Amino acid sequence: QVQLQESGPGLVKPSQTLSLTCTVSGGSISSGSYYWSWIRQPAGKGLEWIGRIYTSGSTNYNPSLKSRVTISVDTSKNQFSLKLSSVTAADTAVYYCARWARGSKAFDYWGQGTLVTVSS
Amino acid sequence: EIVLTQSPGTLSLSPGERATLSCRASQSVSSSYLAWYQQKPGQAPRLLIYGASSRATGIPDRFSGSGSGTDFTLTISRLEPEDFAVYYCQQYGSSSWTFGQGTKVEIK
Repeated sequence: QVQLQESGPGLVKPSQTLSLTCTVSGGSISSGSYYWSWIRQPAGKGLEWIGRIYTSGSTNYNPSLKSRVTISVDTSKNQFSLKLSSVTAADTAVYYCARWARGSKAFDYWGQGTLVTVSS
Repeated sequence: EIVLTQSPGTLSLSPGERATLSCRASQSVSSSYLAWYQQKPGQAPRLLIYGASSRATGIPDRFSGSGSGTDFTLTISRLEPEDFAVYYCQQYGSSSWTFGQGTKVEIK
């Protein structure tokens, strides 16, 4: 059974960089059958796709966040990571990592989510 | 960027009733890339439907999806108590993913 688990600081100061890691278990992040994404959800609001990475390291980002986002992969640890720079209170949200299956063309596995609050 | 608009925002129904949720795209979406998710409070979204009409593993057959082009529908034939939740549609196109704003199905 595939599992994804987010980890990282729950509190980040304004203007600093938010850093999160997603650890994948029960499957290999090196599989060519999947993309690995970050998605966020402010309290009481909808879902916003942040970006994705492929095992090769190729990335795509949400245009609205592209200038501040970096997603990387560490295949040796079966992890991928998110960095979001110059954060403001508007970046406060639950952050999810999720697996996009190229076969079904959907997010079939999600982490439980981690709340990141931006506050001084 | 393709914008997905879901309606209604909230659907108030009783258990046993039929729920019909709409998802309209600002431009044509390939049916292969249209999915629906269910989210309950404090939980991650769960995949219900992919490819506009295929049920994900373990999803009851009371859930069905249909549509093409710019208009897609999620139907729950008879609402069970556990179906009261928020539902999101999602599309992929041009190396970008977008979600609708969600429809909340609440108990009447």
